[in-house]
Amino acid sequence: ETGVTQTPRHLVMGMTNKKSLKCEQHLGHNAMYWYKQSAKKPLELMFVYSLEERVENNSVPSRFSPECPNSSHLFLHLHTLQPEDSALYLCASSQGIREGCTFGSGTRLTVV
Amino acid sequence: ILNVEQSPQSLHVQEGDSTNFTCSFPSSNFYALHWYRWETAKSPEALFVMTLNGDEKKKGRISATLNTKEGYSYLYIKGSQPEDSATYLCAFESGNTGKLIFGQGTTLQVKP
Repeated sequence: ETGVTQTPRHLVMGMTNKKSLKCEQHLGHNAMYWYKQSAKKPLELMFVYSLEERVENNSVPSRFSPECPNSSHLFLHLHTLQPEDSALYLCASSQGIREGCTFGSGTRLTVV
Repeated sequence: ILNVEQSPQSLHVQEGDSTNFTCSFPSSNFYALHWYRWETAKSPEALFVMTLNGDEKKKGRISATLNTKEGYSYLYIKGSQPEDSATYLCAFESGNTGKLIFGQGTTLQVKP
């Protein structure tokens, strides 16, 4: 399998649940990203990991917790989310900070 | 607050028409300008990463120009085809941070 793979594709969770989104890249890239797209808003960067070190967190609420155990895997741990957190969450990777990104297909999250 | 504006928001053209749209971005602290194509039910796909004032890049029928001094980039599609129907996103990269600030996109619909 090649490219950037995200699981699950769809997720419905209650406000008291804890869930995790998973991202895996098979491209040998050294940077990985989490983006959020809410309805009628631009893609918004949440987190950047370069060489497994977090370099940008963009003031994201602490109910979103990223984890990057190695250069191929990225997780986004979710807990006590709000309905307004319902959105499409996209993972991306790149070779170097300045290169174009390869995106995954996203996880469509609904918080009820 | 850094703002990236794209216009028009949406565009409907006939097959064979040529078209172009605009991305405006801050002219200070420029590092790179990215263009992506996002087809429905797919992942965003990198088209171009542009770094130098006066840069012009081309991929098939799609080309882009860059003016960093006045803070704009144009994307051109020559002889539009139905498969060009997608949302075209530009993203401004400020400094060497890996942080991309996306515009809201221009949604292109090409009618056969």
